[in-house]
Amino acid sequence: QKEVEQNSGPLSVPEGAIASLNCTYSDRGSQSFFWYRQYSGKSPELIMFIYSNGDKEDGRFTAQLNKASQYVSLLIRDSQPSDSATYLCAVYTSGTYKYIFGTGTRLKVLA
Amino acid sequence: DTGVSQDPRHKITKRGQNVTFRCDPISEHNRLYWYRQTLGQGPEFLTYFQNEAQLEKSRLLSDRFSAERPKGSFSTLEIQRTEQGDSAMYLCASPGQGSGNTIYFGEGSWLTVV
Repeated sequence: QKEVEQNSGPLSVPEGAIASLNCTYSDRGSQSFFWYRQYSGKSPELIMFIYSNGDKEDGRFTAQLNKASQYVSLLIRDSQPSDSATYLCAVYTSGTYKYIFGTGTRLKVLA
Repeated sequence: DTGVSQDPRHKITKRGQNVTFRCDPISEHNRLYWYRQTLGQGPEFLTYFQNEAQLEKSRLLSDRFSAERPKGSFSTLEIQRTEQGDSAMYLCASPGQGSGNTIYFGEGSWLTVV
């Protein structure tokens, strides 16, 4: 079992729709969870982080965390073609000081 | 601009040559990470430093790879006797001034071994 799992996609949504990206992790000791956006040929860019169970909203983005289910998700409201990118989920465990990344989900927003 | 600088941005080298990448992290932060990313994959952990001490190395880091962080400031990642399988983007990251556990990546160094 991979430590951080994501569906590779592509996930295609029409412009203006809600895109829902999911991530599961295996280490119950994980404490911090991150979403990065990566455009083709570029480095990952931090979008959001979440530490506590529940929802965290920032503009059009909402991160959701359920530690009991070991599940993290990212919702993108009013999706725009410029949101088309690969979204990476990352998990941090303080005891290891390491950040483990999933393989990413490719999102395509269709105009 | 995340404040993490990497150099060079692109490097094409012949198989068997040595290459070195440099990372200048966000100042005042003592942790620095190196990751490698190949096409279609997420970043893979290579190693990290706390100040000048290299605290962990991934088993991905063969004997041909070495990393240093003299004086706890910039870091270098050297690959000796490069192989075609080393072709990847090498990413450096360091914590930012936001929440203590966030890390920010530099623009990456693309390596192509021909």
